[in-house]
Amino acid sequence: EAGVTQFPSHSVIEKGQTVTLRCDPISGHDNLYWYRRVMGKEIKFLLHFVKESKQDESGMPNNRFLAERTGGTYSTLKVQPAELEDSGVYFCASSQVTGRDEAFFGQGTRLTVV
Amino acid sequence: AQSVSQHNHHVILSEAASLELGCNYSYGGTVNLFWYVQYPGQHLQLLLKYFSGDPLVKGIKGFEAEFIKSKFSFNLRKPSVQWSDTAEYFCAVSAGNNRKLIWGLGTSLGVNP
Repeated sequence: EAGVTQFPSHSVIEKGQTVTLRCDPISGHDNLYWYRRVMGKEIKFLLHFVKESKQDESGMPNNRFLAERTGGTYSTLKVQPAELEDSGVYFCASSQVTGRDEAFFGQGTRLTVV
Repeated sequence: AQSVSQHNHHVILSEAASLELGCNYSYGGTVNLFWYVQYPGQHLQLLLKYFSGDPLVKGIKGFEAEFIKSKFSFNLRKPSVQWSDTAEYFCAVSAGNNRKLIWGLGTSLGVNP
């Protein structure tokens, strides 16, 4: 069974540019989460999808971040325009519907804004 | 606000030494507790979890953790570490039915052969 996959694994962009991160969850997993780890800080929750609906987006930093999950399958996280403080590792995770389920993580996308 | 505190940020041990990593959380209600590990170059993976029942939880690779409700703690232990345990370890908490995880800063463990 394929795990959670994220693209790209690394991205270096200039301040002001746009970047789109993609996450493919495990097939059949309705829950999809985005997290971010800024260097030296703890991993922080960004948002949670159930199928195509945003269940909780309380962790999104500001309106430069836009997450979508078309058709309840893969998800994208777009940062536009990128700022220096957006640098970090962006993790995606997915889990099944059941209440006490384990979240499976992708390897993350390391974003560097210069 | 909920928070998770990991006491040790960098730990270096020799093989066969015992390991205990501290984790405390701040939340007064029902919690679900997790330890995740990230081996070099790999994705985060679950070591063990606690939802209810026996407060002593056994996980993969010989790890265990004990939930002490009165101390708001969920410390991770392993009696004898191996070189292959070199990794970063994260404690995480979710509150009640809320699925989002609140994370500690992580502990980088190095094991010398």
